Amino acid sequence: AQSVTQLGSHVSVSEGALVLLRCNYSSSVPPYLFWYVQYPNQGLQLLLKYTSAATLVKGINGFEAEFKKSETSFHLTKPSAHMSDAAEYFCAVSDHGLTGGGNKLTFGTGTQLKVEL
Amino acid sequence: DTEVTQTPKHLVMGMTNKKSLKCEQHMGHRAMYWYKQKAKKPPELMFVYSYEKLSINESVPSRFSPECPNSSLLNLHLHALQPEDSALYLCASSQGQGPSGNIQYFGAGTRLSVL
Repeated sequence: AQSVTQLGSHVSVSEGALVLLRCNYSSSVPPYLFWYVQYPNQGLQLLLKYTSAATLVKGINGFEAEFKKSETSFHLTKPSAHMSDAAEYFCAVSDHGLTGGGNKLTFGTGTQLKVEL
Repeated sequence: DTEVTQTPKHLVMGMTNKKSLKCEQHMGHRAMYWYKQKAKKPPELMFVYSYEKLSINESVPSRFSPECPNSSLLNLHLHALQPEDSALYLCASSQGQGPSGNIQYFGAGTRLSVL
């Protein structure tokens, strides 16, 4: 079974400060890992993905994440927070595909990011 | 283009009503998904369709009935819902197979209120 744990349901940073959102995974096979962002009253937008290529993954809006197998982590970072980054962030792990196609995503509980002036 | 379109954006229905949610994608994806999301919670998988066949039903009550008329369209038929079914319903799609097959793209959702 696969799972992800997001430490900190709420994170607050000042505008311009470093953003660090934590995600640890558990998987019996090499994982596929994702970060999604959800703005209020919207769907989920893919920020970035790790699918066993480079361990440092760059995404949209200046976010990046580093896959660390030894720590079973996939933390999300951004050097300088902007007010528009305030949203809910979900880390997710995928299986390697279902028989017949498709895949199952297992989400973490989410981290609400607040950006203050 | 990674757009998944869901209609309607908002829906209010009574417990005796029948309504349908619609999801459409034109990315050539062969897998489509329905999720339910309650406030302040992650999405919960309801159904997976792959190549227009239902491959996963996560023990969803029969008052929710999915349908996949073709590879671009996914419907969720609703009947005799309960107030606790009020939630954001999200549709997603993915290629289904191949190197990028695990990447799911989400629509904006339908906000459902059951009175």
